[in-house]
Amino acid sequence: EAGVAQSPRYKIIEKRQSVAFWCNPISGHATLYWYQQILGQGPKLLIQFQNNGVVDDSQLPKDRFSAERLKGVDSTLKIQPAKLEDSAVYLCASISNTEAFFGQGTRLTVV
Amino acid sequence: QQQVKQSPQSLIVQKGGISIINCAYENTAFDYFPWYQQFPGKGPALLIAIRPDVSEKKEGRFTISFNKSAKQFSLHIMDSQPGDSATYFCAASSGAGSYQLTFGKGTKLSVIP
Repeated sequence: EAGVAQSPRYKIIEKRQSVAFWCNPISGHATLYWYQQILGQGPKLLIQFQNNGVVDDSQLPKDRFSAERLKGVDSTLKIQPAKLEDSAVYLCASISNTEAFFGQGTRLTVV
Repeated sequence: QQQVKQSPQSLIVQKGGISIINCAYENTAFDYFPWYQQFPGKGPALLIAIRPDVSEKKEGRFTISFNKSAKQFSLHIMDSQPGDSATYFCAASSGAGSYQLTFGKGTKLSVIP
């Protein structure tokens, strides 16, 4: 079974620039999450999708973060404009009935 | 507000020893308690999980002990091996089928030969 694919693996941008991350979940998984993992901390939930609809985005900083999941498959997470404190690994998780499968993440460095 | 507190932050264990990581939670609505293992440059991977209807779950060398009244759960790794060296996260969620996980801050385990 193919895993959760994320790209790019690494991204370095200057503050106030914009950036986008892409996630391709495991085939057939309707539920998808985006998490933010700051260095030395556990992942923190940003947003949950069920198919192409948002289930919970209460922890997403909506003034700068946005996410979409077109056609209920791939998802993109965007930050505009980026701040220094957005430096983190952004993880996508694809959910089966019994388990959350995480991708390798995109490591964002904002300088 | 940190809802899942994990300790210790780091742990060094000799090969063959027992590694013990503890977590405490505050939200009594939590009903799913997984442990994740994360290697550098990789995403977290589910190691073992428990629901509060049992007090212990064992899978190979990994055991979760769960104390509902104390709102605590722990991971025990028996016969620890150098390949177990990784960061371990406890997590919790509530609601059937919910994976809106609240994670602890992680424990970096080093198993030395």
